[in-house]
Amino acid sequence: SQQGEEDPQALSIQEGENATMNCSYKTSINNLQWYRQNSGRGLVHLILIRSNEREKHSGRLRVTLDTSKKSSSLLITASRAADTASYFCATDREGAQKLVFGQGTRLTINP
Amino acid sequence: DGGITQSPKYLFRKEGQNVTLSCEQNLNHDAMYWYRQDPGQGLRLIYYSQIVNDFQKGDIAEGYSVSREKKESFPLTVTSAQKNPTAFYLCASSITGTSGYEQYFGPGTRLTVT
Repeated sequence: SQQGEEDPQALSIQEGENATMNCSYKTSINNLQWYRQNSGRGLVHLILIRSNEREKHSGRLRVTLDTSKKSSSLLITASRAADTASYFCATDREGAQKLVFGQGTRLTINP
Repeated sequence: DGGITQSPKYLFRKEGQNVTLSCEQNLNHDAMYWYRQDPGQGLRLIYYSQIVNDFQKGDIAEGYSVSREKKESFPLTVTSAQKNPTAFYLCASSITGTSGYEQYFGPGTRLTVT
């Protein structure tokens, strides 16, 4: 069953602009992770945020988590062409040791 | 170089044949996972293993089988019972199967069955 759902499904912006992707989930979680996937490749881990954290930063990435709304957002600032990829959120249900991935947001950065 | 490898990158098979996808890691990770990805979709968990000689079914295990005889290896067999095997298969590993650890992914194997 799909736990996380990303929104929007596709996003196209100009280089230099900020990109925001959202993820909603249904049940209580321990952690939420964001991954990036370049076309036809494996996934690369970006950031993990725990259920007791509200915000986390890593370089140009900012992730927020609102457990009351069961949602998270990923902000990429000052986007670059190399940021073009699909971005997935993944949640682990409380008591479970496996990740459940959303369907992803396909991000295109136009030069 | 530490990492997780999958081979081959592309695999073609005739309907009715079993096929085994390779996944090897030298990260000394206890947990390993197999996912299936269909075009434009997210990842769905097929099987996972938290320790050698032990594995559990994921959400879509029917038509697949695995073994975990060595810590570094977690091969996936796609059997003829899998109704729609054409997909992109991703293997991953993590330090443990405990919640809260990132997963490291291999480059994937694209399987086409005709």
